[in-house]
Amino acid sequence: GQQLNQSPQSMFIQEGEDVSMNCTSSSIFNTWLWYKQDPGEGPVLLIALYKAGELTSNGRLTAQFGITRKDSFLNISASIPSDVGIYFCAGRLPTNYGGSQGNLIFGKGTKLSVKP
Amino acid sequence: NAGVTQTPKFQVLKTGQSMTLQCAQDMNHNSMYWYRQDPGMGLRLIYYSASEGTTDKGEVPNGYNVSRLNKREFSLRLESAAPSQTSVYFCASSGRLVLDTQYFGPGTRLTVL
Repeated sequence: GQQLNQSPQSMFIQEGEDVSMNCTSSSIFNTWLWYKQDPGEGPVLLIALYKAGELTSNGRLTAQFGITRKDSFLNISASIPSDVGIYFCAGRLPTNYGGSQGNLIFGKGTKLSVKP
Repeated sequence: NAGVTQTPKFQVLKTGQSMTLQCAQDMNHNSMYWYRQDPGMGLRLIYYSASEGTTDKGEVPNGYNVSRLNKREFSLRLESAAPSQTSVYFCASSGRLVLDTQYFGPGTRLTVL
């Protein structure tokens, strides 16, 4: 099936640091979404991107839809303790692309933890 | 407005037992989805329902059945549970199948012994 490569797998943050993560694929996507998941909870949408080149912010979070439509990144500025959690990217393939119904493909997640 | 609700929150089954996971949404969404999440694997789509009365297979449908009971409710059934089905199951809904954002429930943690 289709795959998204999300990196890094995990990272440690110190309060105040900026954080960056990205997703890449060999396939073109119509939409990129970024979700955050807290322990024991379902994913919550952070940012949605719908056009190649689009740069969107949500508070301290900024995400971009890559020009090639095959990648996206998420930046968190001035991190705080509540930023800890797992961040997932998700891409939506064009409808009828390789049999796709336009469903979401998820990356494996980036786990943010606090530096000991 | 509760969003997407799932029951139960936790469940332990023995191999071969059956059970149904329930999901309901109060956002008047047309489309609903069932995913499973395994460690280090992200979320994988099991089944989805584009609209009331329709269901389709996702990436990993084997061993599962679904029922779209009405617009609000979408259930997932394991007829004969296997240890490989130990996972966290998430239900999600969206206004429309292709264009709209999916909103997730809190999950059901299932262990099959």
